[in-house]
Amino acid sequence: KNEVEQSPQNLTAQEGEFITINCSYSVGISALHWLQQHPGGGIVSLFMLSSGKKKHGRLIATINIQEKHSSLHITASHPRDSAVYICASNRDDKIIFGKGTRLHILP
Amino acid sequence: KAGVTQTPRYLIKTRGQQVTLSCSPISGHRSVSWYQQTPGQGLQFLFEYFSETQRNKGNFPGRFSGRQFSNSRSEMNVSTLELGDSALYLCASSLSGQGEQYFGPGTRLTVT
Repeated sequence: KNEVEQSPQNLTAQEGEFITINCSYSVGISALHWLQQHPGGGIVSLFMLSSGKKKHGRLIATINIQEKHSSLHITASHPRDSAVYICASNRDDKIIFGKGTRLHILP
Repeated sequence: KAGVTQTPRYLIKTRGQQVTLSCSPISGHRSVSWYQQTPGQGLQFLFEYFSETQRNKGNFPGRFSGRQFSNSRSEMNVSTLELGDSALYLCASSLSGQGEQYFGPGTRLTVT
């Protein structure tokens, strides 16, 4: 079992739908990252959080420390949101990555 | 502010050769981390440098090494290349290593 598990692996949705991507981790961490990777490889850091909830535009990230679980939500999804979303945990100053969720938003 | 730059962007090498990749962080950032991304293993942490010292290391063989210069620019070196080293190598910089990371565009290495 990977230390960081994401679900689903792949997700296809219609434009405008509310999207949820989940991330579970197995050991205590100091922070959790959500990253976005577009075709071509470029990675953008979306959020870094250690508790509660953060919001940036249409993106919302939450984390539940007790349940070792984080979610990334996208409201009013758009085709430009199509990308791979990766969660990563910070533990002992090392970063462990999930396998990523490939999101495809249809127009 | 200029972003993180990596050179070269693409590289083709043959087995047994060695390769050096370069990463220039955002001005003022002192931490540089390196990552390998492959279709099979996904993203994996290689090592992190802060103020010219390797602060953390992932689970990679000794053929993978790096260094950081006084201007925070970093290089990573892979010796005795193997086919399995074909990957996208990404570096990321941050102010201290504990905060948000800013990724470069990556170097795509192909070993034939």
